[in-house]
Parts: sequence; structure tokens; C-alpha cells
Amino acid sequence: DVKVTQSSRYLVKRTGEKVFLECVQDMDHENMFWYRQDPGLGLRLIYFSYDVKMKEKGDIPEGYSVSREKKERFSLILESASTNQTSMYLCASKRIIGGGPEQYFGPGTRLTVT
Amino acid sequence: RKEVEQDPGPFNVPEGATVAFNCTYSNSASQSFFWYRQDCRKEPKLLMSVYSSGNEDGRFTAQLNRASQYISLLIRDSKLSDSATYLCVAHTGGFKTIFGAGTRLFVKA
Repeated sequence: DVKVTQSSRYLVKRTGEKVFLECVQDMDHENMFWYRQDPGLGLRLIYFSYDVKMKEKGDIPEGYSVSREKKERFSLILESASTNQTSMYLCASKRIIGGGPEQYFGPGTRLTVT
Repeated sequence: RKEVEQDPGPFNVPEGATVAFNCTYSNSASQSFFWYRQDCRKEPKLLMSVYSSGNEDGRFTAQLNRASQYISLLIRDSKLSDSATYLCVAHTGGFKTIFGAGTRLFVKA
């Protein structure tokens, strides 16, 4: 089974703090993603990475950065946390198969910024 | 307009009922489609892929209508354990995957 883990399930941070969210996958997938999920908006892509040290902006990259130093690890960084970044953050890993690019998600980190 | 649109529900159905979810997508270049299931406070998990010819997996049937840009999911003989949010997903190629906001289903005894 594919396993995607995230460093924290719940996190509470103060406005202005620098926040690191870690994601690790154990299936040697090249592609990794960071999403945030908010009620009524669905999952929105923040950043993705298709290889070590490679990254691309998603739909809502403002206020975030990422790091991928090793294939199995993809980190999301909130440079200066703000209250509008309170959300559920989901990391995903992807392989390409014949039927299409299925994604496997980590358990999520529920971040609250106060 | 959202690229993938779903009725948010909630759908409240009794056990044993048949329930259908619909989803529309706006990008005609979308190539592959999926339904994911997300339990409360959990991550989304792949339920099934959706093929042009339609596909069935036990009590679940998924259909795709490319002409109408429409995807459906039918659940027969609903179980309490089917209660969840169902996400419609369209993949356009490369890294472009769009998730719908989800449809909530509550199955009651």
C-alpha cells in the first residue's frame, strides 16, 4: 500500500510565525502535491513538484513556498502565517498508471492560525 | 464558474436506497475522471476511475458523458458505511487535476 504521512495532524500557530509542514511518501513517486481544503471550495493546489529540487506553482501559491531536497519528502512553508491560512492542508503523491494519474493523500494537517 | 461542479447536498437517504450524484466539468480537454471518497476529518481516497464506456464496482456505477461534459456516480443498496463526501475529479493532463467541492451523503438506518 502507498503510504503518505504528514508531520502533524493538528497545529496551532500565531500570526507571523513561520510554519513548516512535512510530507513523506514511501512509494518512490516522482510527483508530489500540496493542497488546501476549505468548506465549499474543495481542494485547491498550492504547489507541486515533479522531481527533486523541482517545483511549480499551483493555483494559490501566494504566501507559501516549498522544498523538495529528497524524492520522498516535500515540505510546505508558510513564511509568515496569517489567519486566512487557517485550513486543512493535504499532501498527495502520484504515480502514472494506464487508466490515469491517481493521487494518494496523506491524513492532512489541520492548521489554525490565531 | 468552477471547473468541476457538484451539488453539495447533503443527500439524506435511508439504508437500501439508490442514490445518484452528478458532476459537470467545464474543460473539454479533460482526459480522465475519478470519484474519490472522503470520510469526515479524513483524507480523500480513490473510489473508482470513470471510463467512457461506464464502469461498475459492486454497488457503485460510474458513467461519463463527454458530449455533455457530465459524470455520474450511482450507489445502489446504500449502507450506513457509505456516509461520506464524494469528490468528483477531472484530470486534464500533465499536472492539472481539478477536484470538485464534494457532495455529502448521509445514509440513515
